[in-house]
Amino acid sequence: AQRVTQPEKLLSVFKGAPVELKCNYSYSGSPELFWYVQYSRQRLQLLLRHISRESIKGFTADLNKGETSFHLKKPFAQEEDSAMYYCALSGRGGSEKLVFGKGTKLTVNP
Amino acid sequence: KAGVTQTPRYLIKTRGQQVTLSCSPISGHRSVSWYQQTPGQGLQFLFEYFSETQRNKGNFPGRFSGRQFSNSRSEMNVSTLELGDSALYLCASSLSGSSGNTIYFGEGSWLTVV
Repeated sequence: AQRVTQPEKLLSVFKGAPVELKCNYSYSGSPELFWYVQYSRQRLQLLLRHISRESIKGFTADLNKGETSFHLKKPFAQEEDSAMYYCALSGRGGSEKLVFGKGTKLTVNP
Repeated sequence: KAGVTQTPRYLIKTRGQQVTLSCSPISGHRSVSWYQQTPGQGLQFLFEYFSETQRNKGNFPGRFSGRQFSNSRSEMNVSTLELGDSALYLCASSLSGSSGNTIYFGEGSWLTVV
């Protein structure tokens, strides 16, 4: 079964502190992994995907196939990072079906 | 360019009625998918259309249906509405649905069933 688990519903850190949002997945085969973000009153948007191996807004995420994890990290959190973060997976090969985790609400306090 | 546009943005319906939601994808995008978002279940995939054909379907009852037109615009319909259908319905589009395509989401249609 395809499943994405985000164990933390809420995460609160202080500005400048490191932040890690956890994501574990279950999938038969090699999925594509994504992080989506939803800022207050804005639409859901792609933050990064594992195949790009890029850093967006200081965030990085490494796919660990052994631990089936795709944790999102940022060394120094900023107040503007406060948002809802969703981890998601899809199968390779053209399916547009995204399986989302329940999301983690990140609050960065001043 | 304009983003994914969904109409109506807000609507209230009575149990037993039906509702049709509309989605206009980004110009040039041929793949459209729909998701239901609720506090309890989170974001759940409903279906995906490409070139007017349903290519993938989620685990929802037959009361939920959709279609895509030749201009890639899509509609979804929910018949015999139940209270549990109250949710935010999100439409998303991408170029072709191929691996590597970025999926863009609309702002959603808020449906309240009373």
